[in-house]
Amino acid sequence: NAGVMQNPRHLVRRRGQEARLRCSPMKGHSHVYWYRQLPEEGLKFMVYLQKENIIDESGMPKERFSAEFPKEGPSILRIQQVVRGDSAAYFCASSPLAGPYNSPLHFGNGTRLTVT
Amino acid sequence: ELKVEQNPLFLSMQEGKNYTIYCNYSTTSDRLYWYRQDPGKSLESLFVLLSNGAVKQEGRLMASLDTKARLSTLHITAAVHDLSATYFCAVIKSSGDKLTFGTGTRLAVRP
Repeated sequence: NAGVMQNPRHLVRRRGQEARLRCSPMKGHSHVYWYRQLPEEGLKFMVYLQKENIIDESGMPKERFSAEFPKEGPSILRIQQVVRGDSAAYFCASSPLAGPYNSPLHFGNGTRLTVT
Repeated sequence: ELKVEQNPLFLSMQEGKNYTIYCNYSTTSDRLYWYRQDPGKSLESLFVLLSNGAVKQEGRLMASLDTKARLSTLHITAAVHDLSATYFCAVIKSSGDKLTFGTGTRLAVRP
């Protein structure tokens, strides 16, 4: 039973380029969460999605960031016109039930984005 | 806004010693998680604490929750090198809310 799969593991982008991060949840999980971890810090919530719906995007920066979880395929976190401050590890997590109140989140290995 | 603080942020301890990591949070919650993260790796769920007075143990780690004090502790008994990692607590206020993480405690166990 494959866990949460994220790709790529490492992504290098120049300032101004676009970054696309992908997340395939565990089999049977329909709830996806994205978190960002800056160096030497804890994880900060970004967005919570179900299939075709954004449930909570209160942690997403207002500009340049977007997320989707289509009916078919992985969840995508998209960062347009990246800046150096976007350099971080981006973790995706999934759960079978709505919200971490009902079941622990299962995390992927993360995508480490470096903006040069 | 829910705030979660851990201390210490960094802990260097000798093998065989005992120590406790503290997790304080700012608003009422009855659900708390502890996670472990190895360098460059993902987060592994260690414990979920569901009610006041809950205590869970796994090997050399024991976690407890005091909802009245808004405090959870992760106690390490007779530390071994394999326990070196960063430990996060994470709190959720209520159903439908998001999981808020603490700052993490980086544990280094030396011989």
